[in-house]
Amino acid sequence: EVQLLQSGGGLAQPGGSQRLSCAVSGFTFSTYGMSWVRQAPGKGLEWVSGISGSGGITYYADSVKGRFTISRDNSKNTLYLQINSLRGEDTAVYYCARSHTSSRSRFDYWGQGTLVTVSS
Amino acid sequence: QSTLTQPPSASGTPGQRVTISCSGSSSNIGTNTVNWYQHVLGAAPRLLIYSNNQRPSGVPDRFSGSRSGTSASLAISGLQSEDEADYYCAAWDESLNGHCMFGGGTKVTVL
Repeated sequence: EVQLLQSGGGLAQPGGSQRLSCAVSGFTFSTYGMSWVRQAPGKGLEWVSGISGSGGITYYADSVKGRFTISRDNSKNTLYLQINSLRGEDTAVYYCARSHTSSRSRFDYWGQGTLVTVSS
Repeated sequence: QSTLTQPPSASGTPGQRVTISCSGSSSNIGTNTVNWYQHVLGAAPRLLIYSNNQRPSGVPDRFSGSRSGTSASLAISGLQSEDEADYYCAAWDESLNGHCMFGGGTKVTVL
């Protein structure tokens, strides 16, 4: 059974940092691209970042480029999102999602979501 | 990076057919396949339609998708109360270094 279990998140101050983790099981992690998608309160889904199966290729939305870093440890079957210089607009539920091999926008499995709240 | 264009809302009575449009450009829908997601508040999004018109296992056949040129659409026929949710289209965009674009989302209300 494919599972994506997220951890991290919580309350953080503006300008601070957070690291989100997504531990996966039930599939060969290194053969799948992964992404982070977020939903701010009252807003729609927003793709944040993606990474190839090997970790060699990364993609970022303009809104987070330079502040967010996506990475993965294929030996630990874990995906990460390092969020720096937090802003109020980063407050959102963050989801990790597996990209199907045929399409980088086809997310066939999702984590349960983790809330990041940026507030002083 | 903007979003794909969807109507903010759609509604219908049980049994009716509802259609949601998704408009993009040559760098996204015109080049890559479209996927649709159903999102109920408090739960993770669910893949509803992939590769423009394919349903994953477990998705009822009252959901269907299509793509033409730089636009796509999702149809729900035989609307049911449990279909009340937010629906999003998504496609990869080849501009800049490449990124995924979601539509703004359509809230479907069952009257």
